Amino acid sequence: EAGVAQSPRYKIIEKRQSVAFWCNPISGHATLYWYQQILGQGPKLLIQFQNNGVVDDSQLPKDRFSAERLKGVDSTLKIQPAKLEDSAVYLCASSLDGGGYTEAFFGQGTRLTVV
Amino acid sequence: AQTVTQSQPEMSVQEAETVTLSCTYDTSESDYYLFWYKQPPSRQMILVIRQEAYKQQNATENRFSVNFQKAAKSFSLKISDSQLGDAAMYFCAYHSGNTGKLIFGQGTTLQVKP
Repeated sequence: EAGVAQSPRYKIIEKRQSVAFWCNPISGHATLYWYQQILGQGPKLLIQFQNNGVVDDSQLPKDRFSAERLKGVDSTLKIQPAKLEDSAVYLCASSLDGGGYTEAFFGQGTRLTVV
Repeated sequence: AQTVTQSQPEMSVQEAETVTLSCTYDTSESDYYLFWYKQPPSRQMILVIRQEAYKQQNATENRFSVNFQKAAKSFSLKISDSQLGDAAMYFCAYHSGNTGKLIFGQGTTLQVKP
C-alpha cells in the first residue's frame, strides 16, 4: 500500500512570499492532519480534516495560513505571506477514521526555510 | 483542552541497557488512546507502541513496553536491550476517541552510546 505522499520535500523562499504544500493521503483515509514541526520541538497540530470538512483548526494562524481538502482526498496548505518564524517542517498524516483507534500514517514532510 | 508533556529533553543510554522515557498528559475525556512515536533524522514518524485507555494491561511490543498509570495520567516508555538503531527523537502522543484529534508532546532525544 502506498504511503502518505508530500511535495515538495524542500522549499526555500523569501519572507513575504507565498508557498503551498501538497499532501496525498493513503487511499480511503477519511482523516487528514497537517502539523508544523519547528526544529527540536514536537509537531503542532494546525488543522484536522474529516473527509472534506474541518474538524479542528484552532491553532491555524488564519491571517496567513489556509488549507483545503478537495473532494475529501488531496490537501494543500498555503502560507501567504510567509514570515521568518514559519521556517519548519510541515508534516501531513492520514488515518482511516478519526474516531476510535485508527493508526495515523505520516509523510516525510516538507522542510520550509524562510530567509 | 488536552495536553501532553515530556519533561526530559534529552536522555542517554548505554547499548544493551534499559532506559525509561517519561510522559504525562491531561484530559477530561474517557475515550482516548496513547502512543509513542519514533522520529529518526529522516523525519519519518514511526509508531512504536500504543495503549488503549480502557485497558488496564500495559502494552508490550518486543523490547518496548509502557507503564500506563491512568489515575496519575502518566504514560512512560521503557526500552530494554537498547540498540544503536533506537537513537532518535521520541514523541508521546494523545489521540481522542471522540474527535480523532492527535496531539504530541515536546519530544525526548535519545542517544545510545556504544
